[in-house]
Amino acid sequence: EADIYQTPRYLVIGTGKKITLECSQTMGHDKMYWYQQDPGMELHLIHYSYGVNSTEKGDLSSESTVSRIRTEHFPLTLESARPSHTSQYLCAISSSSGNTIYFGEGSWLTVV
Amino acid sequence: QKEVEQDPGPLSVPEGAIVSLNCTYSNSAFQYFMWYRQYSRKGPELLMYTYSSGNKEDGRFTAQVDKSSKYISLFIRDSQPSDSATYLCAMSRTGGGNKLTFGTGTQLKVEL
Repeated sequence: EADIYQTPRYLVIGTGKKITLECSQTMGHDKMYWYQQDPGMELHLIHYSYGVNSTEKGDLSSESTVSRIRTEHFPLTLESARPSHTSQYLCAISSSSGNTIYFGEGSWLTVV
Repeated sequence: QKEVEQDPGPLSVPEGAIVSLNCTYSNSAFQYFMWYRQYSRKGPELLMYTYSSGNKEDGRFTAQVDKSSKYISLFIRDSQPSDSATYLCAMSRTGGGNKLTFGTGTQLKVEL
């Protein structure tokens, strides 16, 4: 079982606000990911990182940005939230040598 | 056409039944196959991980991969109400950096 922590779990925020979703892990794994999941839909990769100062965009285009200044943290930021950003955001980790990916509990974002 | 197809259900079975969940895929480069269980408002939990073709058993769960048919299955024996959740298949390819492609998930309900 992996120790991945996401905050906040639930957030309701107004249009135009800046938000940061936090993701932290205690496993020391190099690889971290952000997936987006709309209700009843499949998960889509929006960002990933293979280590400090390494970030890449995923398969699904997203207006969010990420940073990886420390191994343990991989925050996701939306500079100006819009209702179209309403979704569940899931952070995940995997080790460099492994092929299994473990997810956090998710952050549910609602933009009104 | 989606790379991974999964019947969304819902699938309703009586307690004690054997459940069969399936996914088909089109990308022959997929080598790693996973099944996740996701409860409502929670992150996906890794259930089974299989590399290439073959079977893998863990308690009441059995995962099967048939690469020749591009078809994977998850069997749940002696299903329990606590098994009620959405089951997601996911897969990745060698050299893909552990980036997963997911099915939409099958919603399972095990009734007393």
